[in-house]
Amino acid sequence: LAKTTQPISMDSYEGQEVNITCSHNNIATNDYITWYQQFPSQGPRFIIQGYKTKVTNEVASLFIPADRKSSTLSLPRVSLSDTAVYYCLRGNSGGYQKVTFGIGTKLQVIP
Amino acid sequence: DGGITQSPKYLFRKEGQNVTLSCEQNLNHDAMYWYRQDPGQGLRLIYYSQIVNDFQKGDIAEGYSVSREKKESFPLTVTSAQKNPTAFYLCASTVLGGGNTGELFFGEGSRLTVL
Repeated sequence: LAKTTQPISMDSYEGQEVNITCSHNNIATNDYITWYQQFPSQGPRFIIQGYKTKVTNEVASLFIPADRKSSTLSLPRVSLSDTAVYYCLRGNSGGYQKVTFGIGTKLQVIP
Repeated sequence: DGGITQSPKYLFRKEGQNVTLSCEQNLNHDAMYWYRQDPGQGLRLIYYSQIVNDFQKGDIAEGYSVSREKKESFPLTVTSAQKNPTAFYLCASTVLGGGNTGELFFGEGSRLTVL
């Protein structure tokens, strides 16, 4: 199974930048890194995906170094509504059947 | 709007009864998945299907059954053989191929409680 390792929980104050790191030492050549966000009693939703270097969209940035053994999700200026569980996944075009959703990182944003 | 729809949102079942959870998508996605989530836990794969009339067991298939008679539909039956069926069930779908990992679209989930 394609597994990743990330912190179980993080706390941050509103307005701060939050960086969540994910380890994937044995990432395959054709694997991408994808991050999902999940609120209680809802399905996860896609945040961002990348292969190498830096990807940025309207909600987050994803940094993946050259060796691709880790990645960092960066959330700029978090608000209370960013309190959620964040999942780091590795996978390829073959589908999600071998992708493992761990327990994710529970981010708590504090006023 | 395109999306993935699960029903019912809440379901109560007596022990010994089978129940079926519905999952429909109008995204023309090839692959569909069923996950189970318990409190404070990640998602665990129950079954998946990549093509009509074909499906495969995931990590925790025992006590569950599925069908894929149409591309847009992937119902899950929780049978009486499932020892601890109370959980949050999520259906998802994605395209296959294209080089990268397709975005996984999730439904809103179905919460099953066994009384």
